[in-house]
Amino acid sequence: SQKIEQNSEALNIQEGKTATLTCNYTNYSPAYLQWYRQDPGRGPVFLLLIRENEKEKRKERLKVTFDTTLKQSLFHITASQPADSATYLCAPGGATNKLIFGTGTLLAVQP
Amino acid sequence: DAGVTQSPTHLIKTRGQHVTLRCSPISGHKSVSWYQQVLGQGPQFIFQYYEKEERGRGNFPDRFSARQFPNYSSELNVNALLLGDSALYLCASSSGPDFGQPQHFGDGTRLSIL
Repeated sequence: SQKIEQNSEALNIQEGKTATLTCNYTNYSPAYLQWYRQDPGRGPVFLLLIRENEKEKRKERLKVTFDTTLKQSLFHITASQPADSATYLCAPGGATNKLIFGTGTLLAVQP
Repeated sequence: DAGVTQSPTHLIKTRGQHVTLRCSPISGHKSVSWYQQVLGQGPQFIFQYYEKEERGRGNFPDRFSARQFPNYSSELNVNALLLGDSALYLCASSSGPDFGQPQHFGDGTRLSIL
């Protein structure tokens, strides 16, 4: 069955550093992959979408890569700030016409 | 513009009861999807409706049903509630049926089953 894996443990980094979050998928060939941010008690908020024919996508301090050979997406936040602390969810999609979310990675940026 | 709104925000039910959750999509959005999120997990897809037709269904029992109204709002119904149905129920809207576009989520309904 399709499986989405994200860093299971929380990621703690210092303010100003680059945070890198990993999303691996198996038994799946998504046409695109989305990243969302979720704060406690709130719904997910869309951040970036990258398609299978794109290697990299950027938006302000955010960068996403998509390696269909490795079956992996990396999500980078540069110059991280305490306000970036949240859970980040990856969601590959495509052939099955639905999004399959990973369990999320909790990012904590220390001042 | 208002975002996706869900009601109620919190709900407490007992086993065996049924529940109806409501969702109003962003104005102009015709696709509504429902997700269940249990603590510590990512959202799990339940249904998608587009133009009042069911377009997709996740791996949930028949106790779960939904519908979409002519104004594109939607209801999720769950019958014969079980303790395991306790979760955050999220609604997301988008302009089209394809999931290859951003999904706009509401803040969910927190359902607790006693």
